[in-house]
Amino acid sequence: KQEVTQIPAALSVPEGENLVLNCSFTDSAIYNLQWFRQDPGKGLTSLLLIQSSQREQTSGRLNASLDKSSGRSTLYIAASQPGDSATYLCAALTGTASKLTFGTGTRLQVTL
Amino acid sequence: NAGVMQNPRHLVRRRGQEARLRCSPMKGHSHVYWYRQLPEEGLKFMVYLQKENIIDESGMPKERFSAEFPKEGPSILRIQQVVRGDSAAYFCASSPLPPQRQAGNEQFFGPGTRLTVL
Repeated sequence: KQEVTQIPAALSVPEGENLVLNCSFTDSAIYNLQWFRQDPGKGLTSLLLIQSSQREQTSGRLNASLDKSSGRSTLYIAASQPGDSATYLCAALTGTASKLTFGTGTRLQVTL
Repeated sequence: NAGVMQNPRHLVRRRGQEARLRCSPMKGHSHVYWYRQLPEEGLKFMVYLQKENIIDESGMPKERFSAEFPKEGPSILRIQQVVRGDSAAYFCASSPLPPQRQAGNEQFFGPGTRLTVL
């Protein structure tokens, strides 16, 4: 059974800092891993999808990496801004299942 | 191309009533997934449907919950005789392909329906 863990659970940083969010998964037989952003009371916005054959994906100030062998993914946010404040979720699509397994998220606050 | 649509966005029901949540997938998507997010918890998979077929319902509670995705119209998640513990945000996602068909097959999420049971 796939289990996904995210650390830290919460993070507060001053504007302009670079930061790393961590995601780990127990079953390395994944098809892909997605990173999402969720604002309070809102839906999920897809940020990046990394296929199992890929090592990283980049979109603007975001860079996500994937290391299947160690069961880890990281989301790197460069030059953080107050507008980045949200909960960030990672989710793994496991090869034997049809569902995404989500982590519990990292709540990020970027302060002025 | 409109995104995944869900309605209503907010739903209030009294204990014992029925709740019907609707999901219209993105155009061209025939694979629908329902997830539930309980307060202060992560999203949990409930059910995966293709047109007229339930493919995986391993996350559905055994009683009171049902889902369908008819040939025409939206997917429906139905909760009978709601209880306070059903209060949660229910999210629908869709994809153009089956989950394992292509590694780049992305699930696109709707805005969710927030169910409150009084």
